[in-house]
Amino acid sequence: AQSVAQPEDQVNVAEGNPLTVKCTYSVSGNPYLFWYVQYPNRGLQFLLKYITGDNLVKGSYGFEAEFNKSQTSFHLKKPSALVSDSALYFCAVSLLSSGGSYIPTFGRGTSLIVHP
Amino acid sequence: DTGVSQDPRHKITKRGQNVTFRCDPISEHNRLYWYRQTLGQGPEFLTYFQNEAQLEKSRLLSDRFSAERPKGSFSTLEIQRTEQGDSAMYLCASSLGSTGGQETQYFGPGTRLLVL
Repeated sequence: AQSVAQPEDQVNVAEGNPLTVKCTYSVSGNPYLFWYVQYPNRGLQFLLKYITGDNLVKGSYGFEAEFNKSQTSFHLKKPSALVSDSALYFCAVSLLSSGGSYIPTFGRGTSLIVHP
Repeated sequence: DTGVSQDPRHKITKRGQNVTFRCDPISEHNRLYWYRQTLGQGPEFLTYFQNEAQLEKSRLLSDRFSAERPKGSFSTLEIQRTEQGDSAMYLCASSLGSTGGQETQYFGPGTRLLVL
């Protein structure tokens, strides 16, 4: 079955250290992959996406993600975490529905906590 | 850029009452999506419109739910005979649809519904 998964409910990292938030997917065909961030009581904000091309995608606020086809992963990374990066992070994949439309499907989310 | 707006931001209602939410997308965006998000979960797709046409509906969208986008601009989501299980954050997103599945979605702040 086609799906997207975020294996960690929570990631803790010290400020200034590198961070990784994991995402794996299972789709048939070429995947369209996205990362969004959600701050408390707010809607989701787009960070970056992979459609095709370079496996390393750079996005907003210093975040980047690496598309790895062999491992079916799209992990979100940042070289140096900030306390203000603390938020909920969602990985999403566009899945082709039985109706013929691409439907965005989100993972359960990972809570990133950056400690001062 | 006015972004995606949703109204109301919060709604408290009694079980059995009807509620209606409004979403105003970014003006030039042709696609509009509704999602439901419960605590600890990612957004779950409910339905989407391309212009005024409702192209896809999730199985989550029971007969008590109805959505419209009459002129291809704003959209409304109505829940009839609300149940306590309808309590959730209802998110709206819009996008400029090109090739299916690749477009970035822009989310509104959400409407938080509490059914007593």
